[in-house]
Amino acid sequence: KAGVTQTPRYLIKTRGQQVTLSCSPISGHRSVSWYQQTPGQGLQFLFEYFSETQRNKGNFPGRFSGRQFSNSRSEMNVSTLELGDSALYLCASSLKTDFTGELFFGEGSRLTVL
Amino acid sequence: AQSVTQPDIHITVSEGASLELRCNYSYGATPYLFWYVQSPGQGLQLLLKYFSGDTLVQGIKGFEAEFKRSQSSFNLRKPSVHWSDAAEYFCAVGGGGGNKLTFGTGTQLKVEL
Repeated sequence: KAGVTQTPRYLIKTRGQQVTLSCSPISGHRSVSWYQQTPGQGLQFLFEYFSETQRNKGNFPGRFSGRQFSNSRSEMNVSTLELGDSALYLCASSLKTDFTGELFFGEGSRLTVL
Repeated sequence: AQSVTQPDIHITVSEGASLELRCNYSYGATPYLFWYVQSPGQGLQLLLKYFSGDTLVQGIKGFEAEFKRSQSSFNLRKPSVHWSDAAEYFCAVGGGGGNKLTFGTGTQLKVEL
């Protein structure tokens, strides 16, 4: 069974650009969550989608957005990139949306903003 | 608001020695508690979780954790550490609907041979 797949694994952007990251969950999983990991702030929750609906949202500015498709694949977008957006972005999928299913994390997309 | 504190940023132990990583949480109701491990360049792997019931939970790789409500703690233990256990360990709390996790800042474990 394939794990959570995130693409691209590495990318470099410049300030002001926008970026889209993709996450393919484990087959059958309907919940997809996104986290930002930085040395200074640690792991912070961005948002969670379940059956194409945003269930939870963290405390990030509106430049951070996401969506989920009918096949449960998810994308997150960051517009008008800032230096501080440099981070590892982790996606996690789960069968359910109430912690009764384990969260499985992908290896992340490492974004560098220059 | 829920929060997690991991007071130890770095811990070094000798291979074969016992290990205890500390975690304190703040949450209004009965929490869902988790320990994850992250190896360099990798995502997070679940070691164990506590929802309810027996306060001593067993996980993978020989790890266990004990939930102590009176101390708001969920410390991770392993009786004998292996060199391959060197990684960063995160304690997390969840609840309030959905799969939202609040993570601690992590503890970097170094194992001396």
